[in-house]
Formats: sequence, C-alpha cells, structure tokens
Amino acid sequence: AQSVTQLGSHVSVSEGALVLLRCNYSSSVPPYLFWYVQYPNQGLQLLLKYTSAATLVKGINGFEAEFKKSETSFHLTKPSAHMSDAAEYFCAGNFGNEKLTFGTGTRLTIIP
Amino acid sequence: DTGVSQDPRHKITKRGQNVTFRCDPISEHNRLYWYRQTLGQGPEFLTYFQNEAQLEKSRLLSDRFSAERPKGSFSTLEIQRTEQGDSAMYLCASSFSFQETQYFGPGTRLLVL
Repeated sequence: AQSVTQLGSHVSVSEGALVLLRCNYSSSVPPYLFWYVQYPNQGLQLLLKYTSAATLVKGINGFEAEFKKSETSFHLTKPSAHMSDAAEYFCAGNFGNEKLTFGTGTRLTIIP
Repeated sequence: DTGVSQDPRHKITKRGQNVTFRCDPISEHNRLYWYRQTLGQGPEFLTYFQNEAQLEKSRLLSDRFSAERPKGSFSTLEIQRTEQGDSAMYLCASSFSFQETQYFGPGTRLLVL
C-alpha cells in the first residue's frame, strides 16, 4: 500500500537557520509528490511538486525539495528561515490514482 | 480565477442534525475532491468527481454522507444525523486533469455538540 511518512510532528528552528522537514514515501509505482503549507484556519497552499522531471524542485517562498528514489525521500528545505514560515507543512503523494495521500504534518516554529 | 471557495467557513450543529456544505471549484477544472482533516492529522480523501460523475468513494464516507455535483460545477457534501466524531475540517479541492495539482479551498470547520 502506498503511504507518506513525515518524521517529526514539531520542528523548531531559529530565524535565519536552515529549515529541513522530512518526508518519506512508500509506493510500488512512480509517485508524484507535493508539499503543501497550511496556516491556521486556512486551506492548503501548494509549495512545490515533483512530477518525474527534475529531481530538485524549486517552489515558492524560497523552499525547495529533492526527490531521492534510492532513499524514497522528498525532504523540504529552505536555507534561511523567516518568521512568516511558521505554519504546518504537509507532504502528499499521488500514486497513480486520483487521490492525494497525506502525511500527518509537521508544525514548524520559528524562534526569534 | 478566484480560486476554490467553500461555504460556510464554520458550522456548529447539535448531534443528530443534518448539515450541508458547498464547494465552488476553479471554473475550468473538471475534477473536484472532498477531504476530511481532523485535529493533528493530514487530510484524508473522501470522494471525487469528474464533471458530474462521482467516480470514487472512500470507506470513510459512511451511509450518512452524500455528495453531489449536479451540473459538473459546484458540489455539495451533506452529512445526515451528525455525530460528534464528524467534527473536523472539510476541505474541497479541484484540478484540471488526472494527477495535476489539486488546489484547495479554505475549508469548512464543523463542530458537532
């Protein structure tokens, strides 16, 4: 069965520090992978997506993610955290069907 | 393009009552999805439509839930005889095509007392 796992339900980083949010997937078919961000009481906003083209994907707000098939990973990074990055981040996969399968989310806190 | 909209944004109801939510997708998108998100969890797929046809339903969608998309445009999700366990955020998304990006609405937060 296909699944998405996010390691770390809470991550805290200092303002200006590197942000690293981890996502691993399990799939028997080539996946399409997504990172979404959710601010309090709002819907999900797409940060970036991987669709089998370039393995390093650049998204909005300075975020990027690298698809590593050998590690079944799609970790999200940002070189320098900003206070406005504080939110919940969801990794999601599309595994050859219509629906998205989400991880449980990582809440990112930025320390001033 | 005004994005996906949902109405209402918040709904408080008493156990046993019926509720209905509406979703208006991005106009040129023929696929529409419903997800449910409970506190501390990621969204879970409920059902999806291609145009007016409901093509897949999750096992999460009990007999008390029904969804429609009568003219292939907006969709409604009805919950009959609500239970406290139905309390959640109900998210709607739309996409242009198979495996294309799903764009989400702001959600409807339901609280069943």
